[in-house]
Amino acid sequence: NAGVMQNPRHLVRRRGQEARLRCSPMKGHSHVYWYRQLPEEGLKFMVYLQKENIIDESGMPKERFSAEFPKEGPSILRIQQVVRGDSAAYFCASSPGGYYNSPLHFGNGTRLTVT
Amino acid sequence: GESVGLHLPTLSVQEGDNSIINCAYSNSASDYFIWYKQESGKGPQFIIDIRSNMDKRQGQRVTVLLNKTVKHLSLQIAATQPGDSAVYFCAENIEDSSYKLIFGSGTRLLVRP
Repeated sequence: NAGVMQNPRHLVRRRGQEARLRCSPMKGHSHVYWYRQLPEEGLKFMVYLQKENIIDESGMPKERFSAEFPKEGPSILRIQQVVRGDSAAYFCASSPGGYYNSPLHFGNGTRLTVT
Repeated sequence: GESVGLHLPTLSVQEGDNSIINCAYSNSASDYFIWYKQESGKGPQFIIDIRSNMDKRQGQRVTVLLNKTVKHLSLQIAATQPGDSAVYFCAENIEDSSYKLIFGSGTRLLVRP
């Protein structure tokens, strides 16, 4: 009964490279949420996706960041031309349907370090 | 392992004592609140939640209190154990953006043996 799975657990990229973070939701879940945690801070909402649809990306930086959740396969958070300020832990959560007043359950995150 | 929040407020308690972690929330329209526990190198783990029509809810060894008048939330942990050492976050959301959790800045709980 696996929970939300994220990989890689740790990712190191040089400035200017691309980072791809993967999230496999819990079995049967079709809604995915990405959050970012900067050092010494709580998590901040980035984007909410359903299969093949972006529902709300209001928390995503306008440039260099994109997310997708294809019909098959994991959800991908993509960061192009990474900068040092992108260094953070990125967490994914999933739910079976529209989320309302029920707790999100998170994966163990991907820790991105930009050198 | 990685440390989360090196400069977070810290609460140090003796093993076996009760712990109280406090959180002030900002939005009077928030109607659902959650406490999460985050251990080093891991994602936030759900502990307990409470809706705005309640002022108290109890779980196993944990109690959440909600004071809407002063927009204050607290987490009480009874008989604190070494395994309770972690960073604790409160989170809130409002009805019209129910999937956007707004996290507080966190409190580090250290349990002394």
